[in-house]
Amino acid sequence: EAQVTQNPRYLITVTGKKLTVTCSQNMNHEYMSWYRQDPGLGLRQIYYSMNVEVTDKGDVPEGYKVSRKEKRNFPLILESPSPNQTSLYFCASSIAVGYEQYFGPGTRLTVT
Amino acid sequence: EDQVTQSPEALRLQEGESSSLNCSYTVSGLRGLFWYRQDPGKGPEFLFTLYSAGEEKEKERLKATLTKKESFLHITAPKPEDSATYLCAVQDGNAGGTSYGKLTFGQGTILTVHP
Repeated sequence: EAQVTQNPRYLITVTGKKLTVTCSQNMNHEYMSWYRQDPGLGLRQIYYSMNVEVTDKGDVPEGYKVSRKEKRNFPLILESPSPNQTSLYFCASSIAVGYEQYFGPGTRLTVT
Repeated sequence: EDQVTQSPEALRLQEGESSSLNCSYTVSGLRGLFWYRQDPGKGPEFLFTLYSAGEEKEKERLKATLTKKESFLHITAPKPEDSATYLCAVQDGNAGGTSYGKLTFGQGTILTVHP
């Protein structure tokens, strides 16, 4: 089954404790992206990658890191999480720029 | 800077009452305009892609149209199962710029259809 998977689905952590949210797709897509969704602010793009070893900043990259070493994986790293990073995070992928995105199920992160 | 504004923020309809959702956008070079549907607690689900002004696409009770400044999602004779948040997004297609490939979403329209 073609899909985008994210892990973990739910995470509660404390300020400053480094964490990684994994994202994997099995559709051989070139384009992958991370978003955060907050009430009243909609979906905002954090980082995107148009191919292996190519990453670009979205609208809200501060406090996040990404890497794209393999085509299928695009992990999101929070080196020192803060409470303002409490949010619902979505990973997505598409064949290439200009094509529809397939979204993962979401990761609900709480930073206390 | 790319921008997307959706209106109204919320829309309540009676079953069978047709209406339209608006998406106004500014982008340095449009690579594509996308409509998604999102149910509570789930990831957005793709509906349509529009690439150029004048283009229209239809699927069941939904029809999406595009001009150079805005897109409309027309809902004909809606049913309660059409209740969801509808999201519009534009992808930057300015190959010479620093934002090529970036996706910008609007805040969404929450649609509620009452039986």
